[in-house]
Amino acid sequence: NAGVTQTPKFQVLKTGQSMTLQCAQDMNHEYMSWYRQDPGMGLRLIHYSVGAGITDQGEVPNGYNVSRSTTEDFPLRLLSAAPSQTSVYFCASSYSGVSSYNEQFFGPGTRLTVL
Amino acid sequence: AQTVTQSQPEMSVQEAETVTLSCTYDTSESNYYLFWYKQPPSRQMILVIRQEAYKQQNATENRFSVNFQKAAKSFSLKISDSQLGDTAMYFCAFTRFYYGGSQGNLIFGKGTKLSVKP
Repeated sequence: NAGVTQTPKFQVLKTGQSMTLQCAQDMNHEYMSWYRQDPGMGLRLIHYSVGAGITDQGEVPNGYNVSRSTTEDFPLRLLSAAPSQTSVYFCASSYSGVSSYNEQFFGPGTRLTVL
Repeated sequence: AQTVTQSQPEMSVQEAETVTLSCTYDTSESNYYLFWYKQPPSRQMILVIRQEAYKQQNATENRFSVNFQKAAKSFSLKISDSQLGDTAMYFCAFTRFYYGGSQGNLIFGKGTKLSVKP
């Protein structure tokens, strides 16, 4: 299993450009999420999905869109990049459907710089 | 709303010694999970240890153990026999306990940067 994969690993954008951060998992996990990590801020939840076709907002959703057409993929779209979106982005996935905690597996992260 | 606070932005410890990282949290929930994650310079997020709130016994994983004080809403991480490879950012995290199959979203503290010195 490759686990959780993210592409690209690094990206530089200009203000106003759009792009999609890719996230895929091969563990048949129902739950997937996107976090951003900023210095001194920890990780904050952007969007999450509990299954194909179902998404919801997290703590910091503004400026980002998501969709979940398959179990495996959960792309994050930046509609019009802003310098405030300079950050490291993490995708995570886990099983759900049981009344217990299932470990979340994190991808390696994407470092995004918006100039 | 739940919050997680890590009051030590940076700490250092000598190799082979013991260090304790602090974490406090605020919640009105009675059932929840608490975690410590390690993030080395490689940036990968690694689960170190977890604690179920309904368990009174403190979790232990090899050199890592926690001191869980539910009434005080405190969840500290003790690293024994510190090794150079323990150098990393450490994040405390919280999630609610959901019945019926819904996965909980993680709420993270701001992190503690730990340096292990030779």
